[in-house]
Parts: sequence; C-alpha cells; structure tokens
Amino acid sequence: DTGVSQNPRHKITKRGQNVTFRCDPISEHNRLYWYRQTLGQGPEFLTYFQNEAQLEKSRLLSDRFSAERPKGSFSTLEIQRTEQGDSAMYLCASSLESFLEQYFGPGTRLTVT
Amino acid sequence: DAKTTQPNSMESNEEEPVHLPCNHSTISGTDYIHWYRQLPSQGPEYVIHGLTSNVNNRMASLAIAEDRKSSTLILHRATLRDAAVYYCILDYGGATNKLIFGTGTLLAVQP
Repeated sequence: DTGVSQNPRHKITKRGQNVTFRCDPISEHNRLYWYRQTLGQGPEFLTYFQNEAQLEKSRLLSDRFSAERPKGSFSTLEIQRTEQGDSAMYLCASSLESFLEQYFGPGTRLTVT
Repeated sequence: DAKTTQPNSMESNEEEPVHLPCNHSTISGTDYIHWYRQLPSQGPEYVIHGLTSNVNNRMASLAIAEDRKSSTLILHRATLRDAAVYYCILDYGGATNKLIFGTGTLLAVQP
C-alpha cells in the first residue's frame, strides 16, 4: 500500500471556475477527512466521512463546497465559483475506526487567480 | 474546546536530544494527546499519542505530566530530517476524532 494519494497535486484556476480534487485513502480505512491549510497556519478540519456517510461538516465549508465518498472508497471535494480566498493546500487523511492515527496525503495546492 | 500552547520555534543541533513542550491546562479526562509533524511541502505525519502514561515508539517518546496539563515530545537524537513543524493536538474524543491543529513549533536542526 502506498498510502493516501491525492490528485492533482497542483491546480491553478481562475476566479469563478469550479474545481474538483480527488483523494484515495489507504485501502480498508473507513474514515476519511478533508482539511485545508493556508500559509503559516496549521490544517483546519473541513469534513469527515465514515464509509460513505458524511457525518460532520465544519462551518468553514460554505455552500460552494461539496464532498462525496461514493461506495466508501475514494472521495472528491468540489469547490464551485472559486474565490481567491479559496487558495490553500487541501489535505486528505484516512484512518481505521478503531485507531486514532490519521494518515495524510501530500495535499492538493490550489491557486485561484 | 481545550487548547494547546507551544513555542513558535526551537533550535537543536544534530544528534542531540530535543524536548518539545506543550501546555494544555484545560485538558479533559478523556482527551488523548497527539503529536504530528509536517515536513516542508508534505502532509502532516503521525508521530505519537498518549493518554496518561509515557509512551515510546520508534520515532519519539511522549512524556505526560502527572496532572496532564503539559506534555513533552522527545526526539532522542535529532537529525536534519527531523526539521519540521511539530503540532501538539488534543483529541476531543468525539465520534469523528477530527484533529484541531494550532500553529505548532517550527524545529530547526543545525548540522
């Protein structure tokens, strides 16, 4: 197993465009998390899935953001009508329900011009 | 929400031990203490976690104060690869186990 993978690694988009990121967790990990990190800050929790169910969303997740995890495997995070303030690193992490450790992917760096 | 306080930055010399402190005076009885680190241009990496007793693993040791209001991450012999931001995080123990990161401690390791 090669760990959590995220695609793309970098995305540059123009303000107002929609973008979608993908996260492939470690196989058999039933928990999946999305975080966002801006320069100089620690990651901020966005949302959490257990299997295919989205069980918690942060208030940071505006209605322009949507996340899915069909079939409880990979997950996608879509941002509609991007704004410059959306520029950040988007991190995905996965874990097993019975273990506390989360394993992070390398992140997708989004730049909105 | 219980919070943690860490120094903004620390320096160490290569092959010397490093003690990274964390204060969490409002910790609750069920909060686990987690440490993650983030190397440049990478996602965070799990280091260690504990509840009450000191913990050791291949990466580091975690020393937890008896009153649990503070903890120390110990790297026994720092290497250049240990240069990273180290985050001390309390796990609120909710159903999600989401991590609430602070700004962490930037550790610089000098050769």
